[in-house]
Amino acid sequence: GENVEQHPSTLSVQEGDSAVIKCTYSDSASNYFPWYKQELGKRPQLIIDIRSNVGEKKDQRIAVTLNKTAKHFSLHITETQPEDSAVYFCAASIRSGNEKLTFGTGTRLTIIP
Amino acid sequence: DSGVTQTPKHLITATGQRVTLRCSPRSGDLSVYWYQQSLDQGLQFLIQYYNGEERAKGNILERFSAQQFPDLHSELNLSSLELGDSALYFCASSVTASSYEQYFGPGTRLTVT
Repeated sequence: GENVEQHPSTLSVQEGDSAVIKCTYSDSASNYFPWYKQELGKRPQLIIDIRSNVGEKKDQRIAVTLNKTAKHFSLHITETQPEDSAVYFCAASIRSGNEKLTFGTGTRLTIIP
Repeated sequence: DSGVTQTPKHLITATGQRVTLRCSPRSGDLSVYWYQQSLDQGLQFLIQYYNGEERAKGNILERFSAQQFPDLHSELNLSSLELGDSALYFCASSVTASSYEQYFGPGTRLTVT
């Protein structure tokens, strides 16, 4: 089955700097890659996603890039703010009639004021 | 608020007992997914239902079962509970079985003592 690895497990950046989180996946058939943000004790919230026919997608301060050849995708957060502090999960799925998400192990992002 | 609801919010029970977790998907969503989040295992897919029928199974123990009712709400039944079953249980919903976006409910925190 699919395996998703996520790095780093923890990340601290100064407020205003950029943060990058990277994930690799194993199944070349995976074609959907969402990113979720989870604040302490709360639900995972979908913040951005990308499909395999696109190389990059941007939404304000958040962007995701996908390299299908290398089987990795990354989340980029620019101009970080204290409210960006949370755990971020990447995931991958295959459109095959069921879309179970295989999650990475999460990155705890801390923004230092 | 994603529109997905889960009850109860918290559940404390003893080993060997049985509990039922309930999930109501967003209005119009036909597909429901169950995920388990524990400290050492991250977010793990358990099972998916689509319009009342089981669609996909993940790492779901035989002691666990689920169903989706005609009104599309879903229940996850956990029996012969063990200490290791303590976790956050999330359900997510999507419009169809092949829709990409999954929206998570607030979760049920299960503590087995």
